[in-house]
Amino acid sequence: SAVISQKPSRDICQRGTSLTIQCQVDSQVTMMFWYRQQPGQSLTLIATANQGSEATYESGFVIDKFPISRPNLTFSTLTVSNMSPEDSSIYLCSVVSEGGDGYTFGSGTRLTVV
Amino acid sequence: GQQLNQSPQSMFIQEGEDVSMNCTSSSIFNTWLWYKQDPGEGPVLLIALYKAGELTSNGRLTAQFGITRKDSFLNISASIPSDVGIYFCAGRASSNYQLIWGAGTKLIIKP
Repeated sequence: SAVISQKPSRDICQRGTSLTIQCQVDSQVTMMFWYRQQPGQSLTLIATANQGSEATYESGFVIDKFPISRPNLTFSTLTVSNMSPEDSSIYLCSVVSEGGDGYTFGSGTRLTVV
Repeated sequence: GQQLNQSPQSMFIQEGEDVSMNCTSSSIFNTWLWYKQDPGEGPVLLIALYKAGELTSNGRLTAQFGITRKDSFLNISASIPSDVGIYFCAGRASSNYQLIWGAGTKLIIKP
């Protein structure tokens, strides 16, 4: 299965600032997703990162708040914009390889907004 | 959004005991996945199931894809301390690759 490098692993940020999270995969993958996981909770899908076009956002998430780029089949970024303490969470990158099996996750970015 | 019904929410077990957890859905899935998440890490895939009735093992772990395609269970035999963590089920219902997640089962070993 694919190996994911997600950076940064954690950060403490001031409210009102933005943080960009990077997801690098060691092989070309079909799909890339961004999730949020609040403390003690399950995973919530933010968006599907589409290569060469705008991401597809889930209900409750908007591009202005969570802009996503996917310039090629191995890399994506998620930006958390104009952060508030409510954005404190773990953000996870996930990929699916060709054929639809092997849903793999990065180790996550633990974000604390103060 | 939609979420699977995963139970139990948490389990306190003695080392060496067998563990069982399950997930149910109101809709049919064509893939069931079981993940384990340790603190500070992303979920790690334990077992993937692709056919109704499929029974798959991974070491001490065994999972089954329910015949109705609306449920799945995960069993852990002879639990050990490193089994502690949160276990999530996830299902895929359509061809858009998106997963529906359970709320998780937290496994705790009694001292």
